[in-house]
Amino acid sequence: GQQVMQIPQYQHVQEGEDFTTYCNSSTTLSNIQWYKQRPGGHPVFLIQLVKSGEVKKQKRLTFQFGEAKKNSSLHITATQTTDVGTYFCAGPAYSGAGSYQLTFGKGTKLSVIP
Amino acid sequence: DTAVSQTPKYLVTQMGNDKSIKCEQNLGHDTMYWYKQDSKKFLKIMFSYNNKELIINETVPNRFSPKSPDKAHLNLHINSLELGDSAVYFCASSQGGISNQPQHFGDGTRLSIL
Repeated sequence: GQQVMQIPQYQHVQEGEDFTTYCNSSTTLSNIQWYKQRPGGHPVFLIQLVKSGEVKKQKRLTFQFGEAKKNSSLHITATQTTDVGTYFCAGPAYSGAGSYQLTFGKGTKLSVIP
Repeated sequence: DTAVSQTPKYLVTQMGNDKSIKCEQNLGHDTMYWYKQDSKKFLKIMFSYNNKELIINETVPNRFSPKSPDKAHLNLHINSLELGDSAVYFCASSQGGISNQPQHFGDGTRLSIL
């Protein structure tokens, strides 16, 4: 079935360094969502991108949606220890009988070394 | 004022038992979900449900069954628990269509099978 591929699976950075995670789909996505899950916590919605080439910012976080709407990225500038967690992208995938389900990438686990 | 609440938070039980996990949301959403997150943090949808339609992920064993007494509640019943069922189970909710609305997750139920 349709998958949303996410890389890298793990990323260790020194505090203050930048971080980027990438998400790719084999098919065009109507939208893509990003979530953050802190260790021991639950996924928390960060943002949704809908338009081709869209760029949105939340403080040090920059989210991009590709022109073809098949890829997306999340970039964190000058990471802090509070950024630690797993970042998931999620996109709609056809599940049959006219229905779509939100399919999550496998996540990128970010560790920040103080 | 928890938006999506699940009980219990931890569940330790023996193989072969039957157990239920409860979920309630006070967001007024019309769609609820159950996700399974394994030890590698992969997040997979099991069910989505609104008052009209139940969508079942075809990979979910029929030992798992969702039960919804009303649109604010979606419980998960599991028969004949197996070792491989050990995971964190998240309930979530959203308003409207599954593919273009942010999802709000509960804190999760950590299920351990002995």
